Amino acid sequence: GIQVEQSPPDLILQEGANSTLRCNFSDSVNNLQWFHQNPWGQLINLFYIPSGTKQNGRLSATTVATERYSLLYISSSQTTDSGVYFCAVEYVSWGKLQFGAGTQVVVTP
Amino acid sequence: DTGVSQNPRHKITKRGQNVTFRCDPISEHNRLYWYRQTLGQGPEFLTYFQNEAQLEKSRLLSDRFSAERPKGSFSTLEIQRTEQGDSAMYLCASSSRDRGNLYNEQFFGPGTRLTVL
Repeated sequence: GIQVEQSPPDLILQEGANSTLRCNFSDSVNNLQWFHQNPWGQLINLFYIPSGTKQNGRLSATTVATERYSLLYISSSQTTDSGVYFCAVEYVSWGKLQFGAGTQVVVTP
Repeated sequence: DTGVSQNPRHKITKRGQNVTFRCDPISEHNRLYWYRQTLGQGPEFLTYFQNEAQLEKSRLLSDRFSAERPKGSFSTLEIQRTEQGDSAMYLCASSSRDRGNLYNEQFFGPGTRLTVL
């Protein structure tokens, strides 16, 4: 099956700092999603981004499908950004998502 | 549109008991997925429904697990003779895809956290 690797595994930020999270995948994919998992376990959709660049407020994402990676940018981080960020790729036609292991982000005041 | 809902949110059971979880997808979403997440890991795929048909099952889904989606609406996941290794968060997701359209964004419910004592 496809391999999805996220880096770094852990990230500690001071409030106001910027950061970049990376997702590498080992094969061609149909689609890619970024999620934020809050402390209660809810997966919140951040981006649906099979290719190109998207922005939503302080967050933006870029997927370069030909080079098999995606980046998630967090600017001016806030304590509410804390949590685990997952990248997930869809590589079969019926939509199964393969998740990476996640990046644990802690934003300190 | 109230999103994907799951019940119960938490379940504590003793080893050997049967448990059943329910998922209500976003209305008119024709695709429904179950995933399982253990501590410190990303979610792992369990099974997939398109409308009422169960079309894919992971090897993670042992004979003790069964899932249904009658009438293509809500879905249930039952675990028989629970084991301590079944303790996990069980997540449901739904999406909508038409023929010829590759868009398949999945939306997740809040999950059911199962603890097997």
